[in-house]
Amino acid sequence: DAGVIQSPRHEVTEMGQEVTLRCKPISGHNSLFWYRQTMMRGLELLIYFNNNVPIDDSGMPEDRFSAKMPNASFSTLKIQPSEPRDSAVYFCASRVREGTDTQYFGPGTRLTVL
Amino acid sequence: AQSVTQLGSHVSVSEGALVLLRCNYSSSVPPYLFWYVQYPNQGLQLLLKYTTGATLVKGINGFEAEFKKSETSFHLTKPSAHMSDAAEYFCAVSGATGFQKLVFGTGTRLLVSP
Repeated sequence: DAGVIQSPRHEVTEMGQEVTLRCKPISGHNSLFWYRQTMMRGLELLIYFNNNVPIDDSGMPEDRFSAKMPNASFSTLKIQPSEPRDSAVYFCASRVREGTDTQYFGPGTRLTVL
Repeated sequence: AQSVTQLGSHVSVSEGALVLLRCNYSSSVPPYLFWYVQYPNQGLQLLLKYTTGATLVKGINGFEAEFKKSETSFHLTKPSAHMSDAAEYFCAVSGATGFQKLVFGTGTRLLVSP
């Protein structure tokens, strides 16, 4: 069974450019999470979807960040315009459903903004 | 609200020695507790979890952890370290009900020397 799939694995872009990160959750999972990992701030939850609906986006740093989940098998995290301080590893995780406990993480996307 | 404190950003052990990684939590509701491991350039993998029932939980790769409510602790141990255990370890807490947002500690890097 395939795990959480993220693409691209690495992204290098220049400041001001739009960046789109993609995630495919595990089939049958109804909850999806986006995290950001940096040395300074550790692992931070950015946004959480349940049944494709954003439930909590309080961790989204600012309006430059947006996330969508158009269907149960796909989600995007977009940064527009990107800034050097957005450089981080972005993880997507999925869970069977709300009320269950284990989140399964993807391999992450390493974003570098020059 | 929940929070996690991991004592020691780095822990060094010799191969064959006891591994002890410390985690203390704070939670206003009954907690679920987790240990995740992250190998270089990879996503997070669940090692073990405590939800309800037995307070001593066993996980993969010979790791175990004990939930001690009186001490608000969930320390991770392994009797004998192996070189392959070198990785970063994250303790996390969520509430047992509701949204169940995972809150991560800052991580502890385990170094294993021959």
